Amino acid sequence: AAGVIQSPRHLIKEKRETATLKCYPIPRHDTVYWYQQGPGQDPQFLISFYEKMQSDKGSIPDRFSAQQFSDYHSELNMSSLELGDSALYFCASSQDNAYEQYFGPGTRLTVT
Amino acid sequence: GQQLNQSPQSMFIQEGEDVSMNCTSSSIFNTWLWYKQDPGEGPVLLIALYKAGELTSNGRLTAQFGITRKDSFLNISASIPSDVGIYFCAGQRAAGNKLTFGGGTRVLVKP
Repeated sequence: AAGVIQSPRHLIKEKRETATLKCYPIPRHDTVYWYQQGPGQDPQFLISFYEKMQSDKGSIPDRFSAQQFSDYHSELNMSSLELGDSALYFCASSQDNAYEQYFGPGTRLTVT
Repeated sequence: GQQLNQSPQSMFIQEGEDVSMNCTSSSIFNTWLWYKQDPGEGPVLLIALYKAGELTSNGRLTAQFGITRKDSFLNISASIPSDVGIYFCAGQRAAGNKLTFGGGTRVLVKP
């Protein structure tokens, strides 16, 4: 079965640079969620979109923005990167705003 | 900040043993989900619970949604080496809402 696709899988950036992470949800899934997981931590919710509209917002820094496009893929844009932004970033998707969320393999962002 | 208290934080298993872990919350959740995460990979959904008191099985996994809606537990019976990993509980207040995760239970193999 098709799963959530995230790209790139690994990204190395320097402080103050920008990064764009992409997420392609499972086919026919219309809701996308972004989570950040620091080393040894549990995933923390950042933001979600349902039918291309922002549906919820968590602890997402103002330096980050995201959107969902007409084909339901989503992009997380991160600017003025800081060392503390180094983490695994996961995208999850669900169908028709359902309970079950299915996670992608993640993007490992390293800021040097 | 973390609202779910998951325990134990880590445990050692021997092949064939049963293991259990649980999550408690100070507030009510309407859905509980259990995920397993291998190093460097995304969490994989194991079991979803939708009703207070519900007991659900998925192979060797059994999970229960507490009556108060503030807790859940996960049991793994007859553990095997591939059960090693980090197990997370997650609470959700409504469909389409964010997941709030517990701190995780790291399952390791006894040396």
